[in-house]
Amino acid sequence: GENVEQHPSTLSVQEGDSAVIKCTYSDSASNYFPWYKQELGKRPQLIIDIRSNVGEKKDQRIAVTLNKTAKHFSLHITETQPEDSAVYFCAASKGGGSYIPTFGRGTSLIVHP
Amino acid sequence: DVKVTQSSRYLVKRTGEKVFLECVQDMDHENMFWYRQDPGLGLRLIYFSYDVKMKEKGDIPEGYSVSREKKERFSLILESASTNQTSMYLCASKSHGQGVRPPYGYTFGSGTRLTVV
Repeated sequence: GENVEQHPSTLSVQEGDSAVIKCTYSDSASNYFPWYKQELGKRPQLIIDIRSNVGEKKDQRIAVTLNKTAKHFSLHITETQPEDSAVYFCAASKGGGSYIPTFGRGTSLIVHP
Repeated sequence: DVKVTQSSRYLVKRTGEKVFLECVQDMDHENMFWYRQDPGLGLRLIYFSYDVKMKEKGDIPEGYSVSREKKERFSLILESASTNQTSMYLCASKSHGQGVRPPYGYTFGSGTRLTVV
């Protein structure tokens, strides 16, 4: 089955810096890669996703890149703000409604003011 | 606009008790899931369901069962609660989708923090 590794487990940055979280996956058939943000005491929420037919997707200060050959994808947050502090989870699945995503173990991002 | 509702935010139960965790979604999603979340271990899938009255084991089903009698409701049952089942439990739902029509992302509930003493 699919295996998703996520690094780092903890990331501490200063406000305004960039943050990068990296994930690797094992199943070359995976083609859908969502990212979830979970603020303290709240539910995980989908913040951005990418399908395997594109290499990069941006939404304001966040972007996701995908390297299918190397089987890794990354979340990039620019101009970090304290409200970006949260646990971020990556996931990989074969897409389609019936496939179950495999999650990474999460990255705790701390943005210091 | 809460779309996935878990009945309890916090629960404290005694060892050996039978525990029911309830989850209701109002998005007419076919798929529903139960995860437990533990520090350093991420989200681990316990059970999921593609449709009413059907269920599939996830990665860690031991000690749990589920029930899906109606499309909108998915219940997680701890047959005999043990201290190692102390955890945060997250319910999620997802549209089945067809072909390449998005989205395929989950909508999560707010979680139930269960403590077994």
